[in-house]
Amino acid sequence: QVQLQQSGPGLVKPSQTLSLTCAISGDSVSSNSVTWNWIRQSPSRGLEWLGRTYYRSKWSNDYAVSVKNRIIINPDTSKNQFSLQMNSVTPEDTAVYYCARVLSGTFTNWGQGTLVTVSS
Amino acid sequence: ETVMTQSPATLSVSPGERATLSCRASQIVTSNLAWYQQKPGQAPRLLIYGAFTRATGIPARFSGSGSGTEFTLTISSLQSEDFAVYYCQQYNNWPWTFGQGTKVEIK
Repeated sequence: QVQLQQSGPGLVKPSQTLSLTCAISGDSVSSNSVTWNWIRQSPSRGLEWLGRTYYRSKWSNDYAVSVKNRIIINPDTSKNQFSLQMNSVTPEDTAVYYCARVLSGTFTNWGQGTLVTVSS
Repeated sequence: ETVMTQSPATLSVSPGERATLSCRASQIVTSNLAWYQQKPGQAPRLLIYGAFTRATGIPARFSGSGSGTEFTLTISSLQSEDFAVYYCQQYNNWPWTFGQGTKVEIK
């Protein structure tokens, strides 16, 4: 079955860059039928979709308007994983970050979650 | 974007009783509505998609109904493992959006 394993630091300083990776097993990051997403969850914002990457003859990305100017999601086909980079973080970016596989609009598989705290 | 509103925020139910959770969309989402369960310290888990189709391995006591803008998740007889937070999510209108959740707690 599909499993997603997240990795990355749990503490990031304000104004620096948050970087997380999601390793995929049981599926391919290059699959033509799914998308690979990042979501975050905080008490103030609830579940907030951040963005996705997917392959349909070529690679494409979509990002939430709220973070569009600060994030990049990249696939890594050599390692069958994808990553999230969010720059210029503030304490408001403190949240649990999840990667997820989406099939036909539904979030079918989730990573274990990473609590990222933005603090000096 | 489509705003998903769930009610109530908290539902207190005794084990064995029925729980009914509501989700309302600010725009029509047809039947493109999913439900998730989240337990403390865990990621959400897909329960229902297409408004009423149970995901693989989900017990029959979970059922979904509705279409358009009004949806319901019913848990017919609450088991101890069902006390959790439940979220609805629409995937009809881009971007996809989640509700704020309903916590089902032990009465």
